[in-house]
Amino acid sequence: QSVLTQPPSVSEAPRQRVTISCSGSSSNIGTNLVNWYQKLPGQAPTLLIYYDDLLPSGVSDRFSGSKSGNSASLAISGLQSEDEADYYCAAWDDSLNGLVFGGGTKLTVL
Amino acid sequence: QLHLRESGPGLVKPSETLSLTCTVSGDSSTNSNYYWGWIRQPPGQGLVWIGTIYYTGATYYNPSLESRVTLSVDTSKHQLSLKLNSVTAADTAMYSCARGRGGTYYDGAFDIWGQGTMVTVSS
Repeated sequence: QSVLTQPPSVSEAPRQRVTISCSGSSSNIGTNLVNWYQKLPGQAPTLLIYYDDLLPSGVSDRFSGSKSGNSASLAISGLQSEDEADYYCAAWDDSLNGLVFGGGTKLTVL
Repeated sequence: QLHLRESGPGLVKPSETLSLTCTVSGDSSTNSNYYWGWIRQPPGQGLVWIGTIYYTGATYYNPSLESRVTLSVDTSKHQLSLKLNSVTAADTAMYSCARGRGGTYYDGAFDIWGQGTMVTVSS
């Protein structure tokens, strides 16, 4: 049971937009910065969004992040087949005194 | 460009100590400005933070692993080390090292990752 709750899976058609939610609490998302990672099969994770809504250099602007209260979201627009991957949110938890990851969301592009 | 590479035994016996090294290569002139983390992913499961270390040696550990884990850094060799003792099958996972993007350790934004090394705990 992850401290940050993500839907296990989402799916959407190519060229459409999808959002992945990450629900936490006041001790993590509500207080600290949220980061999103993309993990393709057999590859190392990639930092997709950092500090809630910032895009690292080289990451497509089809990806965007947002946060409100104790929840965060990752949006992917113009879906492409290469976006099929597992996506993880992460944030520091002040109560646990550690970095926590969401359980991950598997994105399927139909 | 910075590269991280994990190395170590792929098979460890139960109750023994898992030891891994992460070698940092490329432009390492600013390594001391960053924090460095270890993250693992058990088969079929999600990512789990193990701990974070600065080049100063300051460490921050996952409370659930803190009693068994030690992170260290050899600045002269540009190497990070992970030791996890008293391992069980539950420690079987892909272990990765990563560089923190900047800021502070609790920002948790790792922007450069190694490919990871699979460690299996089995007799």
